[in-house]
Amino acid sequence: DTGVSQDPRHKITKRGQNVTFRCDPISEHNRLYWYRQTLGQGPEFLTYFQNEAQLEKSRLLSDRFSAERPKGSFSTLEIQRTEQGDSAMYLCASSLGGGSYEQYFGPGTRLTVT
Amino acid sequence: DQQVKQNSPSLSVQEGRISILNCDYTNSMFDYFLWYKKYPAEGPTFLISISSIKDKNEDGRFTVFLNKSAKHLSLHIVPSQPGDSAVYFCAASALFRNRDDKIIFGKGTRLHILP
Repeated sequence: DTGVSQDPRHKITKRGQNVTFRCDPISEHNRLYWYRQTLGQGPEFLTYFQNEAQLEKSRLLSDRFSAERPKGSFSTLEIQRTEQGDSAMYLCASSLGGGSYEQYFGPGTRLTVT
Repeated sequence: DQQVKQNSPSLSVQEGRISILNCDYTNSMFDYFLWYKKYPAEGPTFLISISSIKDKNEDGRFTVFLNKSAKHLSLHIVPSQPGDSAVYFCAASALFRNRDDKIIFGKGTRLHILP
């Protein structure tokens, strides 16, 4: 069990560029979550998937954000036309579901928009 | 509006003593509570959880207490060790009532274990 992995670990981009992050959950975990964490705050929920179905999206997820989990395994989070306010740590978590509720987090992708 | 509140941004405890981290919540629909620990440059690590049908859950040196009437929970670490120095997040969800397992986090408490 290699845990939840995220790629890249760090991303620096210029305002207006698009970025895409990848998350590989723990194998056999059918639920996958995306959170965002800014300095001095706890992680904030963005969206989650049950297998390939996106079940809920937070109001924090503006139209510039899109997430996919095409085959129910890895997931991508894309931010279009990045803004400086998008600078944050983007965390991915997965859980087994079916009565097992603990969410296991990856190391995160730190995004800096200049 | 913070639904999960950790009012102490930091806490310092002598090694070997008990560390008590506190958390309050406002949403009466929350029925599942978790504590996570976070080291710098790493994602949060799950520590311990408790459902609202219990008032205590213990796992080794970690015990979580839940007081539903006060909407308060606490994490006790006994004895505190240097490796416990980290940021601790309290979190909650309306897992059983609403079948909603998205987690709402507090802002965290930074625990320093002093030698």
